[in-house]
Amino acid sequence: GAVVSQHPSWVICKSGTSVKIECRSLDFQATTMFWYRQFPKQSLMLMATSNEGSKATYEQGVEKDKFLINHASLTLSTLTVTSAHPEDSSFYICSARGGRLAGETQYFGPGTRLLVL
Amino acid sequence: AQSVTQLDSHVSVSEGTPVLLRCNYSSSYSPSLFWYVQHPNKGLQLLLKYTSAATLVKGINGFEAEFKKSETSFHLTKPSAHMSDAAEYFCVVSLYNFNKFYFGSGTKLNVKP
Repeated sequence: GAVVSQHPSWVICKSGTSVKIECRSLDFQATTMFWYRQFPKQSLMLMATSNEGSKATYEQGVEKDKFLINHASLTLSTLTVTSAHPEDSSFYICSARGGRLAGETQYFGPGTRLLVL
Repeated sequence: AQSVTQLDSHVSVSEGTPVLLRCNYSSSYSPSLFWYVQHPNKGLQLLLKYTSAATLVKGINGFEAEFKKSETSFHLTKPSAHMSDAAEYFCVVSLYNFNKFYFGSGTKLNVKP
């Protein structure tokens, strides 16, 4: 139980284009979803927290206009990297929590590796 | 303020020998603590969690951790390392009803044959 999926697992795009990453909770209702970024050989950095049906709360230093987060349902959150640039290349990981099955921790997706050329 | 310190960035053990990954935390509140494992290019998998119940917590794959409030520690142990344990391990302290996770810097475990 408590499985979180991400799609795609890999994406390569050209500079200036937008990329959408999906995060789904497969067997529980995720009242809260989180988006993290991980640079090589570093720990995870929280980018934003989103509650279903509400606007996301962004961490200090994260550009909300560049990283658009939508949490339209209890099982789906999306992160859109707008006008991507090479410095946005990174490993993006989502997590989710909620309900009886997954209330007392965050369950993480497998991550999406983004490469911007 | 809350923080997590993983004392070793790299740990190397031989297969079949014990594993000790150290974690110290600071928290103004009663924390919940977690250990996650990350294999290369993968997401994080929950190993175990402490949420104010028993101080000795058993997790998956033979791992366990002991919460010691007096030492503000939550070290991860395993009696006998397996090659498949080679990965990066993150200690995490959680606040605000599990909505805020503070990650340690990670410990990379290498298991030698």
